[in-house]
Amino acid sequence: GAVVSQHPSRVICKSGTSVKIECRSLDFQATTMFWYRQFPKQSLMLMATSNEGSKATYEQGVEKDKFLINHASLTLSTLTVTSAHPEDSSFYICSGGGGEETQYFGPGTRLLVL
Amino acid sequence: AQSVTQPDIHITVSEGASLELRCNYSYGATPYLFWYVQSPGQGLQLLLKYFSGDTLVQGIKGFEAEFKRSQSSFNLRKPSVHWSDAAEYFCAVEDTGRRALTFGSGTRLQVQP
Repeated sequence: GAVVSQHPSRVICKSGTSVKIECRSLDFQATTMFWYRQFPKQSLMLMATSNEGSKATYEQGVEKDKFLINHASLTLSTLTVTSAHPEDSSFYICSGGGGEETQYFGPGTRLLVL
Repeated sequence: AQSVTQPDIHITVSEGASLELRCNYSYGATPYLFWYVQSPGQGLQLLLKYFSGDTLVQGIKGFEAEFKRSQSSFNLRKPSVHWSDAAEYFCAVEDTGRRALTFGSGTRLQVQP
């Protein structure tokens, strides 16, 4: 199957700082990628849809100014958590593909905000 | 809006026993359905998917699932569980308009020796 990578796999930051997470499709082009968040022992919740060359669309309740998404190329989407706070600590997972192409998920990025 | 329900939060089975994980969905049209497995601290691995056609789908690691439209269900089965199957299992439905997935709350599988 197709491969999606995420970097970093784990990050610890101080409260108030910003953190950038990269999501790359390694062997396919993705005009659309998705960002999910998973709190401990909970399910994945869709945060936003990242669209190549245009603005991301955010789910209700997700602050677009806090979670900045950039999808500058067909193989790279980035999620920047701005002014991170402890409540932003979570597991962030991206995916690409969809429809009958099937979505492929990245390995996730664990963010811990101190 | 679509939704997915996994009624069982936690299931424990003995190694070698059969397994069935339940999944019910709510979706207005013909759904695209998925089962994923997540090991601790890991990403998601696709076990199997249903788009159309044969309602009994085979997946990796000996798993299968059956789509039953009349019951809005897509239950996951395995005839003989291995200790390595212990993980969290998620059922998901795709919003075919947006292509994003809606996940169930997950079922944690524990395998006893």
